[in-house]
Amino acid sequence: KAGVTQTPRYLIKTRGQQVTLSCSPISGHRSVSWYQQTPGQGLQFLFEYFSETQRNKGNFPGRFSGRQFSNSRSEMNVSTLELGDSALYLCASSLASGPLPYEQYFGPGTRLTVT
Amino acid sequence: SQELEQSPQSLIVQEGKNLTINCTSSKTLYGLYWYKQKYGEGLIFLMMLQKGGEEKSHEKITAKLDEKKQQSSLHITASQPSHAGIYLCGAAPFGGAGNMLTFGGGTRLMVKP
Repeated sequence: KAGVTQTPRYLIKTRGQQVTLSCSPISGHRSVSWYQQTPGQGLQFLFEYFSETQRNKGNFPGRFSGRQFSNSRSEMNVSTLELGDSALYLCASSLASGPLPYEQYFGPGTRLTVT
Repeated sequence: SQELEQSPQSLIVQEGKNLTINCTSSKTLYGLYWYKQKYGEGLIFLMMLQKGGEEKSHEKITAKLDEKKQQSSLHITASQPSHAGIYLCGAAPFGGAGNMLTFGGGTRLMVKP
């Protein structure tokens, strides 16, 4: 079974621009979560989508948004990019969401650099 | 909010030696995850523990969950250079609030040949 895929793998953007990242979960998985990883803050939860609905949201500004499609693929968008948005963005795929914890499998990540 | 503290922050061991990494939670552990990450890459799922006293093994890696201490430990037996990387523990929210994980700061492991 294919793993979680993320595109693009690397991205360089300029301050003020916007960016869209894509995540395809493992076949059959319906939950996709997004995380931001930086050297200073570590790994932080952005949001989770399950069955096309946002189930949870982390403590990030409204410039960060996401959506999930009917085939469970998910995209996240960051508008008005800031230098501090430079990070590794990871998505995780799970079979379902709640009430029990589910195994989560991560993709290789998208490295975003904002200049 | 839940906080996870990992110790040690970094570890250098000689190949063949055993080692233990700890993950302590500020709140009751509901689901505890262990991952391995190579620098700048994605997280590799190692195992998930749910119940107090649960113990799981994968090759030479064993993880245990101590519900009373709100702590999990990851033990590597006879370490190899391939075990080098960053080990991260993550915790699921209590009460089935979905897959929102909180992560510890990570333990950087180096294995000297």
